[in-house]
Amino acid sequence: QVQLVQSGAEVKKPGASVKVSCKVSGYTLTELSMHWVRQAPGKGLEWMGGFDPEDGETIYAQKFQGRVTMTEDTSTDTAYMELSSLRSEDTAVYYCATKNYGDYYFDYWGQGTLVTVSS
Amino acid sequence: DIQMTQSPSSLSASVGDRVTITCQASQDISNYLNWYQQKPGKAPKLLIYDASNLETGVPSRFSGSGSGTDFTFTISSLQPEDIATYYCQQYDLFGGGTKVEIK
Repeated sequence: QVQLVQSGAEVKKPGASVKVSCKVSGYTLTELSMHWVRQAPGKGLEWMGGFDPEDGETIYAQKFQGRVTMTEDTSTDTAYMELSSLRSEDTAVYYCATKNYGDYYFDYWGQGTLVTVSS
Repeated sequence: DIQMTQSPSSLSASVGDRVTITCQASQDISNYLNWYQQKPGKAPKLLIYDASNLETGVPSRFSGSGSGTDFTFTISSLQPEDIATYYCQQYDLFGGGTKVEIK
C-alpha cells in the first residue's frame, strides 16, 4: 500500500517561489510515476506534470512550462514540486499522485498542500 | 488536443436513485478513461479505471462503461455517503466535474 504524505500549508507573496514535498512510503519512488495535480478554490482538477516512464523524462503541462520544476530524491523517496513567479491565481491545493508504470490512472494521492499567494 | 466534456455539472437525486454521469472525448481514447470521487476537503479517490474496472474496495453500486469517445459512470442506488464531486480523467486531462447532491 502506497502512502503519500505532503508538506504543510504555505503562504507566499506574489513573485516568490514555493517548494512542496511528497514523501512516499510502502513503495520506492523508482517503482512509481509521480505526478502533481492542483485545484484552485472551488474549481476542478488540473494536471501540472509528472514522470513519463515511456520517455524516462518529466513532462510539464504547457501552461506551467518554465515556471515549474519537479524533482525526486530517491535516497529519501521524496518528490518535490517547485513553482516560481507565483501570482494570486496560483492559490490552490497541490496534490501529488502516483501511477504504476504502464497504467494511465492515479491510484494514490497525497493529502494535499494549500498554497496561498497573497500580498 | 483532446477535449473532455463531462455532464451534467451538477445533479440532485434522492437516496436510492440511479445516477448517471457522462464524459465525452473529442477523439477516440479507447478505454483509457477513469473516474474519481472527491469529497470536500479531501483528495480525489480512484473508483473506476480503464472505463469499467472497479478499484479494489469500492462498492459495487459504482460502475463505468464505454469506449472510444463516449463513457458513462453510474451509481445504481445513491447513498448519503456518495455526496461528492465526480471527475472523469484521461491521461493528463480531467473533466470539469459533476457535483452530486441529495434531493
